[in-house]
Amino acid sequence: SQQGEEDPQALSIQEGENATMNCSYKTSINNLQWYRQNSGRGLVHLILIRSNEREKHSGRLRVTLDTSKKSSSLLITASRAADTASYFCATDRNYGQNFVFGPGTRLSVLP
Amino acid sequence: DSGVTQTPKHLITATGQRVTLRCSPRSGDLSVYWYQQSLDQGLQFLIQYYNGEERAKGNILERFSAQQFPDLHSELNLSSLELGDSALYFCASSGPAGRDSPLHFGNGTRLTVT
Repeated sequence: SQQGEEDPQALSIQEGENATMNCSYKTSINNLQWYRQNSGRGLVHLILIRSNEREKHSGRLRVTLDTSKKSSSLLITASRAADTASYFCATDRNYGQNFVFGPGTRLSVLP
Repeated sequence: DSGVTQTPKHLITATGQRVTLRCSPRSGDLSVYWYQQSLDQGLQFLIQYYNGEERAKGNILERFSAQQFPDLHSELNLSSLELGDSALYFCASSGPAGRDSPLHFGNGTRLTVT
């Protein structure tokens, strides 16, 4: 079964609005990462948050992590049409070396 | 550009055939991961190698095999292909920080089995 589950599955917003995506996971983790994928392309790493961190910022991105609820959120502020992509969370299990990806959130930013 | 190179970009083949996908990791990265992405299964972890040794195994079929060579490039071999094997196959590499290293993905090989 999937370790990470993103929510919502799809999100459509207007340019300039904020977009929030959520990720829930099941087992304890060492870190959680967010990736972006443009259609048919490879995934691009956005941000990594460790299990002992609660919030992290990178440009217009803000990631939070709540290990007690086993959930994370990705906020993209002042969205642009170029942010249109699928966004995935990936968890690194404490006991494993592989990264497990959720099914992703498809974000559409309309001009 | 992630620095990870995958070849070929596209592959069309028939059922029952065998293909080899190739991946060159980012310079200096010792870990290579293979993922399969299909519409109905999402991004599925197949296998990981670290410096030539198998490190972790995921949902990899027995018909599939992989290896990492001394120069750190990796190959994924898919045999007795079925229609359901049609998918995007991604290779990713990661650096020396281990589990705190992000994955750097190639642009994938799109496999179509007819």
